[in-house]
Amino acid sequence: SQKIEQNSEALNIQEGKTATLTCNYTNYSPAYLQWYRQDPGRGPVFLLLIRENEKEKRKERLKVTFDTTLKQSLFHITASQPADSATYLCALVPFSGGYNKLIFGAGTRLAVHP
Amino acid sequence: DSGVTQTPKHLITATGQRVTLRCSPRSGDLSVYWYQQSLDQGLQFLIQYYNGEERAKGNILERFSAQQFPDLHSELNLSSLELGDSALYFCASSVGEGNQPQHFGDGTRLSIL
Repeated sequence: SQKIEQNSEALNIQEGKTATLTCNYTNYSPAYLQWYRQDPGRGPVFLLLIRENEKEKRKERLKVTFDTTLKQSLFHITASQPADSATYLCALVPFSGGYNKLIFGAGTRLAVHP
Repeated sequence: DSGVTQTPKHLITATGQRVTLRCSPRSGDLSVYWYQQSLDQGLQFLIQYYNGEERAKGNILERFSAQQFPDLHSELNLSSLELGDSALYFCASSVGEGNQPQHFGDGTRLSIL
């Protein structure tokens, strides 16, 4: 069956450290993958997009990697801050379906402690 | 502020009823997407419209329908409501189709009593 899996347990880290979140997928052929941040009671906010032929993308303190052999994307936040505490969602777009369907993982909650 | 407006923010109704959720996309965005988020299912894609035409469908129930109007706002209609329909319903918009970041509203929280 098709699955997108993110760590269901919260990730607790100390301020200033690098947070690394994992997104694994099974039985999908993603055209590209997106990462979103969601705060309680709010809609998801787009962070980064990476295409299937790209290995890495960066934006300020954020970095995403995409390994189609391992079927995995890693999302890194360097020099983390308490304000980075939120739930982070990965979403992939399969090659089928006209590239219009975003299929989301369940998200990983990140807590950055001062 | 994403620029996507959803109304109402909260809706409480009873089983068997019908409700309409409204979404105004960001200025200039032609695509509108609807998602359902419940605690046990996560964020589920329902349906997408582009410039008034339906373009993609997810696991949307037959009791649910949507449309996008000429002014590009969209409505999601939910009928014969059941307890299990209680969820957050999000609308998102993007400039075009496919390979685009999506911009989400803050959702409508639907509670069925």
